[in-house]
Amino acid sequence: NAGVMQNPRHLVRRRGQEARLRCSPMKGHSHVYWYRQLPEEGLKFMVYLQKENIIDESGMPKERFSAEFPKEGPSILRIQQVVRGDSAAYFCASSVLQGMGQSNEKLFFGSGTQLSVL
Amino acid sequence: ILNVEQSPQSLHVQEGDSTNFTCSFPSSNFYALHWYRWETAKSPEALFVMTLNGDEKKKGRISATLNTKEGYSYLYIKGSQPEDSATYLCAFSGAGSYQLTFGKGTKLSVIP
Repeated sequence: NAGVMQNPRHLVRRRGQEARLRCSPMKGHSHVYWYRQLPEEGLKFMVYLQKENIIDESGMPKERFSAEFPKEGPSILRIQQVVRGDSAAYFCASSVLQGMGQSNEKLFFGSGTQLSVL
Repeated sequence: ILNVEQSPQSLHVQEGDSTNFTCSFPSSNFYALHWYRWETAKSPEALFVMTLNGDEKKKGRISATLNTKEGYSYLYIKGSQPEDSATYLCAFSGAGSYQLTFGKGTKLSVIP
């Protein structure tokens, strides 16, 4: 059973370009979470999605960032017009049941995408 | 803003030593406390999810306790081995919330 797959592993973008980060959850998981780790910081929640629905995007910057989890295919985190401050490691996680304050489900994490903005 | 604090930030121990570290979290609106183990260049891996005050969980040489009234959890490693070297993260889950609030982690290095 393949784990959570993220790609690319490393992504380099120039300021003003777009970044697209992909995440395929574990088989049988329909709940996807995106977390970001800025340098010297802990993992910070960005967004929680179920298939075709954004459930909680309270951690997502209001501008330039968007996320989707279509009926078919991976979840996508999209950052438009990237700036240097977007440089971070972006982690995707999935769970079987909805979380977190409604169940004691653990998260299964991918290996992350390291975004570097030049 | 929820505050989850972990101490110490980093720790070096000799192989065979036992060690422990702390996670403190808000005692109000508690739902669950998660511990994850994160090896360099890998993905965080769940160790425990604890929900009840007084809960104790064990997995091999690693165990954890939970005090929700005072807002802390301890993680213990008995007889540390080099393969235990990793960053240990705790994360707070509030009732009704979809998100985990993570601490910055304790980085453990076990010296052979």
